[in-house]
Amino acid sequence: DVVMTQSPLSLPVTLGQPASISCRSSQSLVYSDGNTYLNWFQQRPGQSPRRLIYKVSNRDSGVPDRFSGSGSGTDFTLKISRVEAEDVGVYYCMQQTHWPRTFGQGTKVEIK
Amino acid sequence: EVQLVESGGGLVPPGGSLRLSCAASGFTFSDYSMNWVRQAPGKGLEWVSYINSNSGTIYYADSVRGRFTISRDNAKNSLYLQMNSLRDEDTAVYYCARDRPSTYCSSTSCPRMDVWGQGTTVTVSS
Repeated sequence: DVVMTQSPLSLPVTLGQPASISCRSSQSLVYSDGNTYLNWFQQRPGQSPRRLIYKVSNRDSGVPDRFSGSGSGTDFTLKISRVEAEDVGVYYCMQQTHWPRTFGQGTKVEIK
Repeated sequence: EVQLVESGGGLVPPGGSLRLSCAASGFTFSDYSMNWVRQAPGKGLEWVSYINSNSGTIYYADSVRGRFTISRDNAKNSLYLQMNSLRDEDTAVYYCARDRPSTYCSSTSCPRMDVWGQGTTVTVSS
């Protein structure tokens, strides 16, 4: 199975400051069609997961542009340019290239 | 409005069975593959099972293979998860999420695990 490793697991951030979450996979996530199927999800307290980013760097509709995804191969990053109070929650990376699908452990973002 | 609504969760003793349902609306259910994902209390997300649009391709996580069965009824716009031989470690919130093959992904849209339900809680305890 592809192991997805996120860091840090806890991320205290000051409002208005940037935040960055790393996600590394144990195998390349490049699919046979040349695309990389790496998603980022946000889970606010008490809510279902919400997809923020697909295919490494494409923002979903309605996702603020302060969220950005980057990376390639086995190394990926989610960045929040200026953290707002509504960004509190747990963030997960997830690969949809290999079976079984696997998630990172999650990174808890909180306000300092 | 595109929506997925799970139901069927509850309290069940170890070794028992439960059948979860996921009702889809607002989109053409028969065009989409579907997934079940679970989250144990205070833990992260774990993918459980996948079924494609015509039920011809099915995958399971090792942790549930042989005990859980995924199925769907496109005429009823519904997805199911039959859970047998339940264990304490199956206690979780179970979510359904829609999906499509990678060929449907572009740089402007990608209907792969883009819509999730609100979840249904399964508690396995004596």
